[in-house]
Amino acid sequence: AAGVIQSPRHLIKEKRETATLKCYPIPRHDTVYWYQQGPGQDPQFLISFYEKMQSDKGSIPDRFSAQQFSDYHSELNMSSLELGDSALYFCASNPTPWGEQFFGPGTRLTVL
Amino acid sequence: EDQVTQSPEALRLQEGESSSLNCSYTVSGLRGLFWYRQDPGKGPEFLFTLYSAGEEKEKERLKATLTKKESFLHITAPKPEDSATYLCAAITGPGYSTLTFGKGTMLLVSP
Repeated sequence: AAGVIQSPRHLIKEKRETATLKCYPIPRHDTVYWYQQGPGQDPQFLISFYEKMQSDKGSIPDRFSAQQFSDYHSELNMSSLELGDSALYFCASNPTPWGEQFFGPGTRLTVL
Repeated sequence: EDQVTQSPEALRLQEGESSSLNCSYTVSGLRGLFWYRQDPGKGPEFLFTLYSAGEEKEKERLKATLTKKESFLHITAPKPEDSATYLCAAITGPGYSTLTFGKGTMLLVSP
């Protein structure tokens, strides 16, 4: 069965640089979620999109922005990177904006 | 404030030794409680969804139950491959589906 695809899987950036993470949801899933998981922490909700519109917003820093495109893929843009942004970033999708979310394999971001 | 609390933080079992993981929640108007399994460095893998008190779901050696205040994940005769972190999450907030996760229970099953 098709799963959520995230790219890149690993990313290394310097402080103050910019990063773009991509998420391709499961086919026919129109809702996408972004989570940040620090070392030894639980996933923290950042932002979600339903039918290309932002639906919920969590603890997403102002330096981050995201959008969902017409093909339902989503991108998380992170600017002025800080050391504390180093984490696993997960994307999840579901076919309706309620019910179980299916997670991708994550992007491991390391900020040096 | 909506909260999800899991216990214990870590649990070590011998293969075949059954046990239960706890997830207590304080959520206004629970709209769904989820259990996930997460292996190190990987994305959470969906296990169960529970919507109302009294509901039970089963899958192989796992059984999830829900009361008005907590959920339990029962593991019967675990095997070493069941070793993982088990996460509980609840839909919180005014939106449809913001998930608030507990800190997880790290389970280690020894042969």
